[in-house]
Amino acid sequence: ETGVTQTPRHLVMGMTNKKSLKCEQHLGHNAMYWYKQSAKKPLELMFVYSLEERVENNSVPSRFSPECPNSSHLFLHLHTLQPEDSALYLCASSQEKLAGYTDTQYFGPGTRLTVL
Amino acid sequence: QKEVEQNSGPLSVPEGAIASLNCTYSDRGSQSFFWYRQYSGKSPELIMSIYSNGDKEDGRFTAQLNKASQYVSLLIRDSQPSDSATYLCAVNMSGYGGSQGNLIFGKGTKLSVKP
Repeated sequence: ETGVTQTPRHLVMGMTNKKSLKCEQHLGHNAMYWYKQSAKKPLELMFVYSLEERVENNSVPSRFSPECPNSSHLFLHLHTLQPEDSALYLCASSQEKLAGYTDTQYFGPGTRLTVL
Repeated sequence: QKEVEQNSGPLSVPEGAIASLNCTYSDRGSQSFFWYRQYSGKSPELIMSIYSNGDKEDGRFTAQLNKASQYVSLLIRDSQPSDSATYLCAVNMSGYGGSQGNLIFGKGTKLSVKP
């Protein structure tokens, strides 16, 4: 496997289900990200793990819970989601270097999530 | 509110023409600028990154940055039908999402290149 991989590629779940999205990066990067992409809206940053530091966007509901066990793996745990959470969830990674500069982020193929 | 603005389009150009995509951003402290291309149903892929004022060329693509005007653009020369996609502008915003700042994306401009 090369680059950034995500599983599953498609997921349909009910509002009472619990599921997890998985992301793995094979690029040796030290930062990983979760984004949400809804129709007609810009990519929304959800969570960042950078240089061992977790950074949260305070607007993300608690029904989304990230986990980063090491620099290569990132999970997004989902529970009691709402239909409006249906979207493409993208994982990305980058190599953070100089303070104040953001290096290129490389995206995985995404998980298309549908909440019934 | 830190923002990145793009014209949503669609921008339609004939094959062989120059496509010009524009982006403005609100944070004067931004240091890193990126253009991504996203085909329908696919994830974004990097086209260009630019960090300094001026032009940066890579093949048929030229990125232009003007920090004083808070403006970044992407020119695609000799446009091909395969360039038809949504182009996303991304800018790092200082103090957002961590000490090094993280990317804010525009909504994207849909480009259509007609044969």
